[in-house]
Amino acid sequence: ELKVEQNPLFLSMQEGKNYTIYCNYSTTSDRLYWYRQDPGKSLESLFVLLSNGAVKQEGRLMASLDTKARLSTLHITAAVHDLSATYFCAVDMDSGNTPLVFGKGTRLSVIA
Amino acid sequence: EAGVTQFPSHSVIEKGQTVTLRCDPISGHDNLYWYRRVMGKEIKFLLHFVKESKQDESGMPNNRFLAERTGGTYSTLKVQPAELEDSGVYFCASSQPQAGNTEAFFGQGTRLTVV
Repeated sequence: ELKVEQNPLFLSMQEGKNYTIYCNYSTTSDRLYWYRQDPGKSLESLFVLLSNGAVKQEGRLMASLDTKARLSTLHITAAVHDLSATYFCAVDMDSGNTPLVFGKGTRLSVIA
Repeated sequence: EAGVTQFPSHSVIEKGQTVTLRCDPISGHDNLYWYRRVMGKEIKFLLHFVKESKQDESGMPNNRFLAERTGGTYSTLKVQPAELEDSGVYFCASSQPQAGNTEAFFGQGTRLTVV
């Protein structure tokens, strides 16, 4: 059974600081996703990581994937308040044609 | 292009009542998924439709939950009778299977509270 573990579950960080969210998964997987959710809103896709060593960046967020270690990271650089949200990683087994298995999510609060 | 839409956005019902949630996927998407997030826990898979057929319903908690997707368009998820532990946020997602990119798009969720 595929399991996905995310940590930390809660993160309070000051504006301007850097931090990393970790996502471990238990079995070989085809692809890994990072989503952002604002309260009452849908899950917004941030990154899709398809292969070992993949690195993607968008603004202050950078995601990477190490399939050998079964680990993905979401790195936040110089955090700003607008990044406050819940971040989920998710994994699927068959290129989007099978259900996603999610981590518990990381609730990020960026404070001044 | 409209995204995945879900109705209602919130529902508060009493234990023992019936509630029906609706999901309108992105037009043309054959895959439709239902997920649920109970407070503080993971978002968990409930079931997967391909067009009007149930591809995988291994995540459905019990027979109080009934999902349909008549005509392969919108889907409904009925809970009857609702219990307290059914409270949570129910998400719907859709995708179109194709080589190289089958990313799922999510609706905003329906927050169900059973009191």
